Amino acid sequence: DAGVTQSPTHLIKTRGQHVTLRCSPISGHKSVSWYQQVLGQGPQFIFQYYEKEERGRGNFPDRFSARQFPNYSSELNVNALLLGDSALYLCASSLWTGLNQPQHFGDGTRLSIL
Amino acid sequence: GENVEQHPSTLSVQEGDSAVIKCTYSDSASNYFPWYKQELGKGPQLIIDIRSNVGEKKDQRIAVTLNKTAKHFSLHITETQPEDSAVYFCAAPSNRSSGSARQLTFGSGTQLTVLP
Repeated sequence: DAGVTQSPTHLIKTRGQHVTLRCSPISGHKSVSWYQQVLGQGPQFIFQYYEKEERGRGNFPDRFSARQFPNYSSELNVNALLLGDSALYLCASSLWTGLNQPQHFGDGTRLSIL
Repeated sequence: GENVEQHPSTLSVQEGDSAVIKCTYSDSASNYFPWYKQELGKGPQLIIDIRSNVGEKKDQRIAVTLNKTAKHFSLHITETQPEDSAVYFCAAPSNRSSGSARQLTFGSGTQLTVLP
């Protein structure tokens, strides 16, 4: 079975632009979470979605938004890009949002802001 | 909210030796502790996890121990091999976010190098 897939793998944008990142969860998984990983640090939580509803939001500005579709895939949108948004954006899926649900990550989208 | 501290930040061992990575957490309500391995250019891969109703879990050369009283958990890798070289992250659930979900708070990572 395919794991979590993310697209694109790499992306270069300039300041002020917007970006859309995509994620397909493992088949059967209904929850998707987004994380930002800056070089040399652990992933930081951005959003969690379950059954198309936002179930959690981390400490990120309103420039970050996301949604989940009926097939459980998800998009992360970032507006008005800043240099500091350069990072690896990771998507993780789990069966549901239970406290002990293992999260499985994709290989991420490397976003570079010039 | 949860605060997860991970030590050491770098660890070099000879092939065949054991490696131990330690994490502490602050939220006494946390009850699920996964460990991830991240290779260069890849996303984090779940390698083992433990729930608070057990003190130790083992999977071949990898084991995790949990001390809920002291609020720390450790990853043990025995008979290390060069392919174990990677960055390892511990994590614990946190309700720092808004909403009903408890997301994972990650440690800062340990770069493990296994020398042949």
